[in-house]
Amino acid sequence: SQQGEEDPQALSIQEGENATMNCSYKTSINNLQWYRQNSGRGLVHLILIRSNEREKHSGRLRVTLDTSKKSSSLLITASRAADTASYFCATVKTSGSRLTFGEGTQLTVNP
Amino acid sequence: EAGVAQSPRYKIIEKRQSVAFWCNPISGHATLYWYQQILGQGPKLLIQFQNNGVVDDSQLPKDRFSAERLKGVDSTLKIQPAKLEDSAVYLCASSLEQDAIFSYEQYFGPGTRLTVT
Repeated sequence: SQQGEEDPQALSIQEGENATMNCSYKTSINNLQWYRQNSGRGLVHLILIRSNEREKHSGRLRVTLDTSKKSSSLLITASRAADTASYFCATVKTSGSRLTFGEGTQLTVNP
Repeated sequence: EAGVAQSPRYKIIEKRQSVAFWCNPISGHATLYWYQQILGQGPKLLIQFQNNGVVDDSQLPKDRFSAERLKGVDSTLKIQPAKLEDSAVYLCASSLEQDAIFSYEQYFGPGTRLTVT
């Protein structure tokens, strides 16, 4: 079964707006990662946040992690049409090394 | 740096036929993964290799799926015989190494889109 659940399933915004996607998971983790998948292509790693970290930035991306609520959020600021893609969170459990993906959020940025 | 290579990109077969996919990871990456991604879902790990040894194949349907990684470099994934529900994108990924605690980021290939009719 999938470990992570993304919310919302789909998000449509205008260029320049911020996009926020959420991920919830069920068990304790070592780290949580966010990936992007453009239509018909493989996944691209965006950012990794470890269980002892609360916030991380990378360019226009900001990721937060709340281990007490077992949730994470990905914020994309000043969105661009090129950000249109599916975004997946993936977790690594403390008990093993498997990367388990959620169902993804489909983001559409309208020009 | 060359990325993860996969072939073929597309494959259409009839049910009960067999099919094989090939993957060449990034040079120097010890860990190789095969994922199955059904339309509208996230990728699901099928098998993970560390060099040429299997680390995790708990979600591989072993009655019909097999994979090998000879010489610890490239890998093949085979389905025999295929079923309709095997229609999916098969993704290969590699990572530099995996220590005891944290997983490093994974680099994905473009995938092979399999349609079983």
